[in-house]
Amino acid sequence: EAGVAQSPRYKIIEKRQSVAFWCNPISGHATLYWYQQILGQGPKLLIQFQNNGVVDDSQLPKDRFSAERLKGVDSTLKIQPAKLEDSAVYLCASSQPQGGGTDTQYFGPGTRLTVL
Amino acid sequence: AQSVTQLGSHVSVSEGALVLLRCNYSSSVPPYLFWYVQYPNQGLQLLLKYTTGATLVKGINGFEAEFKKSETSFHLTKPSAHMSDAAEYFCAVSLSNFGNEKLTFGTGTRLTIIP
Repeated sequence: EAGVAQSPRYKIIEKRQSVAFWCNPISGHATLYWYQQILGQGPKLLIQFQNNGVVDDSQLPKDRFSAERLKGVDSTLKIQPAKLEDSAVYLCASSQPQGGGTDTQYFGPGTRLTVL
Repeated sequence: AQSVTQLGSHVSVSEGALVLLRCNYSSSVPPYLFWYVQYPNQGLQLLLKYTTGATLVKGINGFEAEFKKSETSFHLTKPSAHMSDAAEYFCAVSLSNFGNEKLTFGTGTRLTIIP
């Protein structure tokens, strides 16, 4: 079974530029998550999708971050414009809902973003 | 709301020694608890999870954790450390509400194994 795929693996941009990350979840997984992991911290949930609908985006900085999952499969996360503090690893995860908070989330390798 | 505190951002143990990584949680409802491991330049991999039932949970690679409600703890242990255990370990909590599988992670503990 193929795991969660993410691209690119690394990205370096100047501040105020735009950047997009792509995620392909495990086949059949209805739930998709984007996390931000700043160096020295644990991952922080940015947005959660159930199929192509947003379940939780309470911690997504909506003035600069956007995400979509148009067909309920792949997802893209965009930052426009980027700030220095956006330097982090962006992790995508997917799960198959079983109810009650017991879902196992499977993580991709992440995209390491450096904003100069 | 829920939160997780991992005591010790860095832990070093000798090969063959006991591994103990500490995690305390705060939750307004009965929690589900998880330990994830992250190897360099890789995503997170689930080691084990506690949902309900038996409070001692066994995971992969010889790790286990015990849920202690009275102490609000979920410490991770392994009897004998191996060089391949060197990684970063994250404790996480989610709420036992249907449709709310949001994971809240601790800040992580980097485990170093001394040959």
